[in-house]
Amino acid sequence: QKEVEQNSGPLSVPEGAIASLNCTYSDRGSQSFFWYRQYSGKSPELIMFIYSNGDKEDGRFTAQLNKASQYVSLLIRDSQPSDSATYLCAVRSTGGYQKVTFGTGTKLQVIP
Amino acid sequence: EAGVAQSPRYKIIEKRQSVAFWCNPISGHATLYWYQQILGQGPKLLIQFQNNGVVDDSQLPKDRFSAERLKGVDSTLKIQPAKLEDSAVYLCASSFDYDRAQYFGPGTRLLVL
Repeated sequence: QKEVEQNSGPLSVPEGAIASLNCTYSDRGSQSFFWYRQYSGKSPELIMFIYSNGDKEDGRFTAQLNKASQYVSLLIRDSQPSDSATYLCAVRSTGGYQKVTFGTGTKLQVIP
Repeated sequence: EAGVAQSPRYKIIEKRQSVAFWCNPISGHATLYWYQQILGQGPKLLIQFQNNGVVDDSQLPKDRFSAERLKGVDSTLKIQPAKLEDSAVYLCASSFDYDRAQYFGPGTRLLVL
């Protein structure tokens, strides 16, 4: 079982719709969760991080965490063509220097 | 605040040659990371420094890869000799401390022929 799993996509949504990106992780003790956006040919850019169960909102982005189900998601409201990118989920482990493991990413396509 | 700087941005070498990458983290960031990202995959941690000490190099191919962070600021990653499968983007990231969010540099795209 991979430590951090994401559906590779592509996930296609029409402009203005809600895009829902999902990530599951295997380390039950994980404490911190990150979403990065990566445009083609560019480096990952931090969008949001979440530590506690529940929702965290920042503009059009909402991160949702359910530790019991070992599941974290990213919702993008009012999706725009400029949101088309690969979204990477990253999970920080507990103990030591808290290694961060990345998923393979979900490619999102927003159709005008 | 300046971001993470990396150079060179692109490098093409032949197999068995050596190559070195440089990274300058965000000022004041204690933790520095080198990742390898192969096309279609997520970044894979190669090595993590806390100040000038190595805290995780479990996925670094030590027979050919080496890295250092002298004085706890800049870092270099070296590959010697390079193999075809080393073709990838090498990303440097830094964070204020090991439990804080990471910020990435622009990356170095390496092609080994």
